[in-house]
Amino acid sequence: AQSVAQPEDQVNVAEGNPLTVKCTYSVSGNPYLFWYVQYPNRGLQFLLKYITGDNLVKGSYGFEAEFNKSQTSFHLKKPSALVSDSALYFCAVRDNYGQNFVFGPGTRLSVLP
Amino acid sequence: DAGVTQSPTHLIKTRGQQVTLRCSPKSGHDTVSWYQQALGQGPQFIFQYYEEEERQRGNFPDRFSGHQFPNYSSELNVNALLLGDSALYLCASSLGPSGGTDTQYFGPGTRLTVL
Repeated sequence: AQSVAQPEDQVNVAEGNPLTVKCTYSVSGNPYLFWYVQYPNRGLQFLLKYITGDNLVKGSYGFEAEFNKSQTSFHLKKPSALVSDSALYFCAVRDNYGQNFVFGPGTRLSVLP
Repeated sequence: DAGVTQSPTHLIKTRGQQVTLRCSPKSGHDTVSWYQQALGQGPQFIFQYYEEEERQRGNFPDRFSGHQFPNYSSELNVNALLLGDSALYLCASSLGPSGGTDTQYFGPGTRLTVL
């Protein structure tokens, strides 16, 4: 069965500093990995995905993520955090049998001015 | 280009009642998935509709049912509501089937409160 872990409930970072939000996964078969962001009282917004190819994926709003097969990780990163990046971040995984998304529990990112 | 829309925004029901939530997919999308997001948790997959049929189902009881219409819009029905059904219900649309590589785009959700 597929599963996703986001080991940190909360990540605090100062504005202008780099940020990392961690995600590890477990799937049978090849993983398809996604990051979404959720602002208060809103639905989820797509940030980026890894399907195949280059392990470094670039997405919306300056975010990127690195796929590491040996560590089964897909950490979200941004070189310079903005206060407006403060939100709830979800990692999700599917396998190549087309099963539906399994989401992690979410990580709350707070960027402090 | 309209994104995914959901109605209503908020809904209050009492235990035992029935509720219907509605979703219109993003333009050009033909697949609709429904998720339940309890407070403080990640979304959990309920089911997916494609070509007006339920294609996949998560671990939810039969009280949860759905429908997809020829215009690809969808409804989620929940019967015999329980307090534990209180959650944000999210609809997501995609262009499928694509073996799992498709991106799902989410609507703003319907907040259901069961009293």
